[in-house]
Amino acid sequence: QVQLVESGGGVVQPGRSLRLTCAAAGFTLSSNAMHWVRQAPGKGLECVAVISNDGNNIFYADSVKGRFDISRDNSKNTLYLQMNSLRAEDTAVYYCARDLSSDVWSGYMDYWGQGVLVTVSS
Amino acid sequence: DIQMTQSPSSLSASVGDRVTITCRASQTISTYLNWYQQKVGKAPKLLIYAASTLQSGVPSRFSGSGSGTDFSLTISSLQPEDFATYYCQQSYRAPITFGQGTRLEIK
Repeated sequence: QVQLVESGGGVVQPGRSLRLTCAAAGFTLSSNAMHWVRQAPGKGLECVAVISNDGNNIFYADSVKGRFDISRDNSKNTLYLQMNSLRAEDTAVYYCARDLSSDVWSGYMDYWGQGVLVTVSS
Repeated sequence: DIQMTQSPSSLSASVGDRVTITCRASQTISTYLNWYQQKVGKAPKLLIYAASTLQSGVPSRFSGSGSGTDFSLTISSLQPEDFATYYCQQSYRAPITFGQGTRLEIK
């Protein structure tokens, strides 16, 4: 069955970097666009970044543009989120989610990981 | 960015009740509207996409309707496992945006 497992979260100081990893199983990652969605404690959902199935199309939320970098290694069935210059407001649970689309993206997120907590604090 | 506004923000209902949650987009989004359910401590779950298409495995008591700017999610007969937070989401234009959520509680 489809599984997405995030890792790499933790506590980090403001200004530092962290890389999240999302390992996919049960399907071929190259078949789907992928998203990173975050949820600050007690808050709603925010789409942080999305990448097409082949990696050629990427979109970032304004809140992370220039600081975060989404990438994928289809040969390893793995999605990444490199987060630089972290701020307190980046504190959230980060989810990776699979897009129903096999092309660019549709926005329909049919499978989600369990989420990983990133805490930015001095 | 397209703003999504849900109402109500919270709702108390009883098992067996019929419940409707509404979502309004700040501009027309055709039928690029999706609904998710999130239980405490869990990832969101896709319920309905393209405004009215039921995701595989989702019970038929869930239904969605609407187009343009106004949409609704209806649960025809609430079950105990339906008490959760519900989010609408537009996928018409990037950035993809969510509503603020509707918390459905047991009365």
